[in-house]
Amino acid sequence: EAGVAQSPRYKIIEKRQSVAFWCNPISGHATLYWYQQILGQGPKLLIQFQNNGVVDDSQLPKDRFSAERLKGVDSTLKIQPAKLEDSAVYLCASSPKMRPDKNIQYFGAGTRLSVL
Amino acid sequence: QQQVKQSPQSLIVQKGGISIINCAYENTAFDYFPWYQQFPGKGPALLIAIRPDVSEKKEGRFTISFNKSAKQFSLHIMDSQPGDSATYFCAASLSRTGNTGKLIFGQGTTLQVKP
Repeated sequence: EAGVAQSPRYKIIEKRQSVAFWCNPISGHATLYWYQQILGQGPKLLIQFQNNGVVDDSQLPKDRFSAERLKGVDSTLKIQPAKLEDSAVYLCASSPKMRPDKNIQYFGAGTRLSVL
Repeated sequence: QQQVKQSPQSLIVQKGGISIINCAYENTAFDYFPWYQQFPGKGPALLIAIRPDVSEKKEGRFTISFNKSAKQFSLHIMDSQPGDSATYFCAASLSRTGNTGKLIFGQGTTLQVKP
């Protein structure tokens, strides 16, 4: 089966600009996650969707980050305006359904964002 | 209390040797402990996972050892191969019904296996 697709793979912007990332999860996966992975650190959950509803966005900087999952399939993550500290890899992951006891998350390759 | 601490930050092992990576957690409610493997330019991929009702789980050359009283768990890679060179992340979550299954990741260990 096809994996989690993300685009673009790389993005370079200047601070205060806006940027958007796109994710297409594995077909049929109800749960979608966006993680931020800063160089040298583990992934940190930004937001979790169950179908098109938000389950957890407690670590999403809501003054500048936003995310949506239309029709419970694709998702976009937006940063506006970007700061230098937003430089990171943004990973999208999906899992079949919100079954925490069967919580195998499948990750995409990520989008590497550099903010200059 | 939601942290997972991982060590060492980097590890160099000779081919055929044993690689050991350690993690410690604080929240005793965590009940699912996976390890993820990440190659450069790729997303993390689930390697092996354990629940606290067992002390050890083995899959091929990979073994998780779990010490509930010490709140620690570790990954052992036996007969390490150059192809095992990657970054390894431990994680923890609350997996019971009613929880979101959110994963808390450790900081990662970069493993290099020398031929």
